[in-house]
Amino acid sequence: DSGVTQTPKHLITATGQRVTLRCSPRSGDLSVYWYQQSLDQGLQFLIQYYNGEERAKGNILERFSAQQFPDLHSELNLSSLELGDSALYFCASSGQGLAGGHEQFFGPGTRLTVL
Amino acid sequence: AQSVTQPDIHITVSEGASLELRCNYSYGATPYLFWYVQSPGQGLQLLLKYFSGDTLVQGIKGFEAEFKRSQSSFNLRKPSVHWSDAAEYFCAVGAGGSYIPTFGRGTSLIVHP
Repeated sequence: DSGVTQTPKHLITATGQRVTLRCSPRSGDLSVYWYQQSLDQGLQFLIQYYNGEERAKGNILERFSAQQFPDLHSELNLSSLELGDSALYFCASSGQGLAGGHEQFFGPGTRLTVL
Repeated sequence: AQSVTQPDIHITVSEGASLELRCNYSYGATPYLFWYVQSPGQGLQLLLKYFSGDTLVQGIKGFEAEFKRSQSSFNLRKPSVHWSDAAEYFCAVGAGGSYIPTFGRGTSLIVHP
């Protein structure tokens, strides 16, 4: 158990809909990262938050957004869903500030299926 | 920007045999290097990491990896594989500063009894 929790575990929805994925980092960790894992793209970094502020952006679509709340939990919002958004979405956290080189602790993931 | 290549998509070994999973990276300076394992339906778990110092790194579950700067490699090894080691293995490289690791595409390990 990494200490990172994600809900829900599975999500099935229809095209055009909007969903929210939730992540609680390890106790004390200030950084939260979101990743998308699919068979064709592999593990893709989406976005990072540090202590409530957006820190880095990766391959995140404009239809997707995220935020980190004062209690440090984070939510990833996916809207106008398309079939190609079906994937595993992982949250990870790390705790040693903004300096480089720190390992990430991954949650169990949310499997999103768009029908 | 850094990049990482895992040349083998699948590796099949017999239980009890030795294992080596390859990882090559591209980065101008000394990188931070990681190996993660993902079991089916699970998140990624850190096996080991290299930041500096001794180039042979010991990890959990009996795994080790060796950083070879001259070859830009960070190969993962295990002397004797167990059936429970069957999983997806990811190599990742990170750089200093705002740390966002780059992950390889993964190597799927299949273990035959």
